[in-house]
Amino acid sequence: EPEVTQTPSHQVTQMGQEVILRCVPISNHLYFYWYRQILGQKVEFLVSFYNNEISEKSEIFDDQFSVERPDGSNFTLKIRSTKLEDSAMYFCASRLAPLNTGELFFGEGSRLTVL
Amino acid sequence: GDSVTQMEGPVTLSEEAFLTINCTYTATGYPSLFWYVQYPGEGLQLLLKATKADDKGSNKGFEATYRKETTSFHLEKGSVQVSDSAVYFCALSGANSKLTFGKGITLSVRP
Repeated sequence: EPEVTQTPSHQVTQMGQEVILRCVPISNHLYFYWYRQILGQKVEFLVSFYNNEISEKSEIFDDQFSVERPDGSNFTLKIRSTKLEDSAMYFCASRLAPLNTGELFFGEGSRLTVL
Repeated sequence: GDSVTQMEGPVTLSEEAFLTINCTYTATGYPSLFWYVQYPGEGLQLLLKATKADDKGSNKGFEATYRKETTSFHLEKGSVQVSDSAVYFCALSGANSKLTFGKGITLSVRP
């Protein structure tokens, strides 16, 4: 069964360092997302990506964050200079069709710990 | 803006007990409603959904009915199993088609 895969499963980094979280969405999907969940809090929307550009982003997704789909298969989230409050589980998701008709498929998540 | 409120957890039940997990929402227009589940060590999976008022979503013995009058989408199961132990998230998709999640609730089922 096709699935969304994320790497790494867990990354520990020092504050101020750059981090890249990688995702391989399901191959024929067209819409891509990053969400995050700070421990004990809600799953929060970060950004959506369609047709090689950001279609929507939340207030959380400031200039420290960027996304790329460099090669048609990977979908990456970069945090330029990590802060302590970036520690969270980051989920990648993809879907084929509009959400009301198409299911959103999530990866297992990448846990980021910023020290 | 859109929001989803779930009952506080965690919830611990014995096997074969009845389960209700409450979820209420605030949204403009007519959102679609979802329950996602996260089993230990796995990603979020769609459990069930309902796209309009009075629709009932069902899967794996779980059910939830879209109640517009009470803005609710409570999850129920008549007889839980140990294998149902997981984190359950209520979510909605509004006019902009992005998902807004609740906080999630951890369910533990004892044998």
